[in-house]
Amino acid sequence: EPEVTQTPSHQVTQMGQEVILRCVPISNHLYFYWYRQILGQKVEFLVSFYNNEISEKSEIFDDQFSVERPDGSNFTLKIRSTKLEDSAMYFCASSEATGRETQYFGPGTRLLVL
Amino acid sequence: SQQGEEDPQALSIQEGENATMNCSYKTSINNLQWYRQNSGRGLVHLILIRSNEREKHSGRLRVTLDTSKKSSSLLITASRAADTASYFCAIQGTYKYIFGTGTRLKVLA
Repeated sequence: EPEVTQTPSHQVTQMGQEVILRCVPISNHLYFYWYRQILGQKVEFLVSFYNNEISEKSEIFDDQFSVERPDGSNFTLKIRSTKLEDSAMYFCASSEATGRETQYFGPGTRLLVL
Repeated sequence: SQQGEEDPQALSIQEGENATMNCSYKTSINNLQWYRQNSGRGLVHLILIRSNEREKHSGRLRVTLDTSKKSSSLLITASRAADTASYFCAIQGTYKYIFGTGTRLKVLA
């Protein structure tokens, strides 16, 4: 069964460093998403992406964040200058369409900012 | 806010018993999803129920939706130790899901 994959599974970085989290969505899916989950808290929406554009973003997704689909398979989340509070599990998701379709989540990247 | 709110926050039962979790939300929805998350792991999709559906089944899982009460429930029958996890409802907006805070289920062997 097709699945969303994410790399790395864990990343440790120093505050102020840039990180890039990578995702390979399910191949026939058109919509891509990033969510995050701070330890012990609920899953929070960051951004959705379709047709090489951001469709919607939350207030968490400030200028320090960016997303890109650099080729036909990868979808990346970049955090330009990490802060301690960026430590969280980051989930990528994809769906065939939006509004009424299931989003399939990857296993997540656990980011720790020291 | 469309946020789903689950209750109870935590539930501990014996293996073989049924577990019921509830989700309430505030606005109209297109659909509602239930996900499972094992500790520190990813989100596994369980069931999607659309706004025009009232009940769906998948194996030992049964989900109901009452749009008049803006609530949904997830029933796990004949629970197993492997069902121990956090369960989330997610309200679907146009481009995003809004997740509730989850119910932590512990099934004791």
